[in-house]
Amino acid sequence: GAVVSQHPSRVICKSGTSVKIECRSLDFQATTMFWYRQFPKKSLMLMATSNEGSKATYEQGVEKDKFLINHASLTLSTLTVTSAHPEDSSFYICSARGSSGSWNEQFFGPGTRLTVL
Amino acid sequence: GQSLEQPSEVTAVEGAIVQINCTYQTSGFYGLSWYQQHDGGAPTFLSYNALDGLEETGRFSSFLSRSDSYGYLLLQEVQMKDSASYFCAVRDILTGGGNKLTFGTGTQLKVEL
Repeated sequence: GAVVSQHPSRVICKSGTSVKIECRSLDFQATTMFWYRQFPKKSLMLMATSNEGSKATYEQGVEKDKFLINHASLTLSTLTVTSAHPEDSSFYICSARGSSGSWNEQFFGPGTRLTVL
Repeated sequence: GQSLEQPSEVTAVEGAIVQINCTYQTSGFYGLSWYQQHDGGAPTFLSYNALDGLEETGRFSSFLSRSDSYGYLLLQEVQMKDSASYFCAVRDILTGGGNKLTFGTGTQLKVEL
């Protein structure tokens, strides 16, 4: 199956700093990438949908200036958490869908655990 | 909007058959998927139903009743390695161009010896 990687897998930062998380599709071209947030023992909450070369579409309640998403190429999307605070600590997961795959073929990355001190 | 409800936890002994239910509310239902997630890991796709009935994939089967807005995941002969969280997810054709998945609340399956 298709492989999606995320980097870093784990990051600890100080409050007020910005953190960038990368999501890469390794063996296919991802026309659409999704960013999710997951709290412990909770469901995946969709934050935004990004299409290559266009602005991301954010879900209601997600601050676009806080969570900057860039999908500059067909294999890379980045999520930058700006001026991070302890309440931003969470598990961030990306997923990717190719142009030729069926809609339910959404492949997930291994996730990035962010801890803000 | 959409909402999906699942039991929070299910416990079973090894070798048993486990059924995890999912009820959903959505205006533009298109299909129901099931994902497995081990602690700290990525969700992995298990099964998908767009039409009523049962879909079988090895030890896993999934059922859908569109008229009842209800589906379930069936795990045959559960093993210790099946201990994980299981999520149902719905695609709604009316939101996000039909590209988005909305996930259920998740069911923690614990398999015991």
